Amino acid sequence: GNSVTQMEGPVTLSEEAFLTINCTYTATGYPSLFWYVQYPGEGLQLLLKATKADDKGSNKGFEATYRKETTSFHLEKGSVQVSDSAVYFCALDFGNEKLTFGTGTRLTIIP
Amino acid sequence: NAGVMQNPRHLVRRRGQEARLRCSPMKGHSHVYWYRQLPEEGLKFMVYLQKENIIDESGMPKERFSAEFPKEGPSILRIQQVVRGDSAAYFCASSPLRGGNQPQHFGDGTRLSIL
Repeated sequence: GNSVTQMEGPVTLSEEAFLTINCTYTATGYPSLFWYVQYPGEGLQLLLKATKADDKGSNKGFEATYRKETTSFHLEKGSVQVSDSAVYFCALDFGNEKLTFGTGTRLTIIP
Repeated sequence: NAGVMQNPRHLVRRRGQEARLRCSPMKGHSHVYWYRQLPEEGLKFMVYLQKENIIDESGMPKERFSAEFPKEGPSILRIQQVVRGDSAAYFCASSPLRGGNQPQHFGDGTRLSIL
């Protein structure tokens, strides 16, 4: 079946540090890939997406590239801010209306 | 532009009672999805509905849980005879069309606590 494996958290970084959150997937075929962010007490917000191999999604300084050869979609940001503290979810979708999520990675940025 | 609206934000029920969770999709969206998030876990798909139709309920527990999306009004997730294990955050999402190119937009969730 389809599955998403995310880097275990929690992750704690200092402000302006470089961020990588790893995400790999298992799927038969070529899904669309997403990163969602969840701030405390809120729902999930779409951060970025990629729908085919080699696509790069980007938003708010975050980037992720769809790598078919390594079945990965790692999230990166060059310089994190305190306001980036949240839980980040990697997810995939085959267009069958059923998002499959990873377990989430809690990120805390300290000033 | 109102987003996906869920209510109530918090719901407390005693064991054996019924819980009703409501979701109004974004304007122009006719596809609704329900997910459950247990503490410290990711979201798990429960059910996908279009107006007056259940399209996929493969993630829904077979007993006590039901969902509907009537022609008029919000989508309702109903849990009968709640138990402690039903305590979770329940999120609704909507999209305008089928397919992976139409990302789902999420509400802020209903946090259900069972006493």
